[in-house]
Amino acid sequence: LAKTTQPISMDSYEGQEVNITCSHNNIATNDYITWYQQFPSQGPRFIIQGYKTKVTNEVASLFIPADRKSSTLSLPRVSLSDTAVYYCLVGSRSTSGTYKYIFGTGTRLKVLA
Amino acid sequence: DAGVIQSPRHEVTEMGQEVTLRCKPISGHNSLFWYRQTMMRGLELLIYFNNNVPIDDSGMPEDRFSAKMPNASFSTLKIQPSEPRDSAVYFCASSTGDSQETQYFGPGTRLLVL
Repeated sequence: LAKTTQPISMDSYEGQEVNITCSHNNIATNDYITWYQQFPSQGPRFIIQGYKTKVTNEVASLFIPADRKSSTLSLPRVSLSDTAVYYCLVGSRSTSGTYKYIFGTGTRLKVLA
Repeated sequence: DAGVIQSPRHEVTEMGQEVTLRCKPISGHNSLFWYRQTMMRGLELLIYFNNNVPIDDSGMPEDRFSAKMPNASFSTLKIQPSEPRDSAVYFCASSTGDSQETQYFGPGTRLLVL
């Protein structure tokens, strides 16, 4: 099963681009990588999902190298409201056929003025 | 679109009491997940259902925990008897499937067991 590892925390300034990397060395062929954002006292919220290469939506980009053992969430021009915890998730199908959803410890991003 | 609804939002109880947490998934979603979040252990998947059937309960900590999904619009997570170490935020999430589909989380229930 793919276990994810992320930096515990990061600081950035408003207007900068932030890149958060997640490692998932044991990712399987059919596993997707999903990133969630969590604000205090709220449930996690979907940001972006990808399988390989690059995915972009209105809030972020996700870069996945060819070996898929890591992924990088890129937040362009962050603002104070982007201060949150960011989780990388890999849903892995176990040998029994069920899915295991393992959230990493998350990266606490603090955006400074 | 109401999103995932959880109740109660906060629960304070005494050790030994029974606690029941409730969840209403998004209409049309056929997978439902129960998570627990603590500072020490982060977000842990306890159990998930697909089409009202429990698929994987390997994350349920022990026999004191049980979960049911009697129909597509309602699920409960019960702790009996509760212990102080059960104090955590419990999240319910739903999705259109149990594989790689996006999970939509509820606001959570903050449980404190004294």
